Amino acid sequence: DAGVIQSPRHEVTEMGQEVTLRCKPISGHNSLFWYRQTMMRGLELLIYFNNNVPIDDSGMPEDRFSAKMPNASFSTLKIQPSEPRDSAVYFCASSFNSPGVGQYFGPGTRLTVT
Amino acid sequence: GENVEQHPSTLSVQEGDSAVIKCTYSDSASNYFPWYKQELGKGPQLIIDIRSNVGEKKDQRIAVTLNKTAKHFSLHITETQPEDSAVYFCAASTNNAGNMLTFGGGTRLMVKP
Repeated sequence: DAGVIQSPRHEVTEMGQEVTLRCKPISGHNSLFWYRQTMMRGLELLIYFNNNVPIDDSGMPEDRFSAKMPNASFSTLKIQPSEPRDSAVYFCASSFNSPGVGQYFGPGTRLTVT
Repeated sequence: GENVEQHPSTLSVQEGDSAVIKCTYSDSASNYFPWYKQELGKGPQLIIDIRSNVGEKKDQRIAVTLNKTAKHFSLHITETQPEDSAVYFCAASTNNAGNMLTFGGGTRLMVKP
């Protein structure tokens, strides 16, 4: 099993540019989570999907952030326009849609906005 | 909603010693408690978990204990090795939250050779 796949692994962009982060969950998993990790705020849940449907997006910081899951094997997190305070590591995780199961994290995308 | 507190934030031990990390949770309905290990530059990795119907679970050098009455759970690492050095996160979830997890703030464990 390849695990959760994220791309790119590193992204450096200038303020105001659009950034798209990509995630491929583990095959068969039907829940997908996007997290952001910073030193100051720790690990924050941004949004999660069950069966490709967004269930809770209350963690999305503002309208500049959007996420989609067009099919069971692909999701994107988009930031438009990006700002320096968006600099962080963004993780995607997947799991089975069932209580009491663990989430499996990807390697993350380190985003730097200058 | 659920709140998970984790202590200590940093822990330094000598190689071969034991390390204990403790977490408390607020929602008495929580019934699933995983632990994650995050190495530098990597994503959190699930290393062990426990459900509310058991009080202890062991896997080689790591063990977790759960006290539902006191609403706290702990990670125990015995015979620590330098490769155990990482950030460890506890988490909790309830059936009502599906498979959403609430994470603790993390513990940076340093094992000195």
